[in-house]
Amino acid sequence: TQLLEQSPQFLSIQEGENLTVYCNSSSVFSSLQWYRQEPGEGPVLLVTVVTGGEVKKLKRLTFQFGDARKDSSLHITAAQPGDTGLYLCAGIKAAGNKLTFGGGTRVLVKP
Amino acid sequence: KAGVTQTPRYLIKTRGQQVTLSCSPISGHRSVSWYQQTPGQGLQFLFEYFSETQRNKGNFPGRFSGRQFSNSRSEMNVSTLELGDSALYLCASRATGSGETQYFGPGTRLLVL
Repeated sequence: TQLLEQSPQFLSIQEGENLTVYCNSSSVFSSLQWYRQEPGEGPVLLVTVVTGGEVKKLKRLTFQFGDARKDSSLHITAAQPGDTGLYLCAGIKAAGNKLTFGGGTRVLVKP
Repeated sequence: KAGVTQTPRYLIKTRGQQVTLSCSPISGHRSVSWYQQTPGQGLQFLFEYFSETQRNKGNFPGRFSGRQFSNSRSEMNVSTLELGDSALYLCASRATGSGETQYFGPGTRLLVL
């Protein structure tokens, strides 16, 4: 069982549609990160959220950290084919800095 | 600055063999972490090295080991390979390891036959 559960595992949408990816846990995290990984590459950090209830925007991507710091969501508005990839959430529990990753959500945006 | 580099990029081994993977962090970064990524288990933390000392360790058997050199380059070794060790092994570096962005390399894809 993953400490961080991501849903859905796979998402296929048409260009221009919106999508939301969820990252849930029963544990509290001091911060949570979202990464995107493309084939043949390592994950690339998109955002770090630290404060419960925090909302961060990165162009068409909106990230939210739950009030209790146990869950997070990533919303993409008007998705484009370039948004295709594996989206990973990762939580940090304490100053130890060890990252715990969710299972990932594979997003496919068709033109 | 050059990014994190990992060598080799691809590797095929047979059961029972051992393998050594190498990671060169971004210049100036002193923390190197290793992860194993598989379709079934996702991305799992192996260990972190900082200034040549192991600082954190994940839940992997003792067959998985690592080390870091004085120039911050790191190697990980897997002995007595098993089929289940087939995975993408990723290394990530950061400056000091405390609340800073971690930069991942492209990974080494290991296939155990």
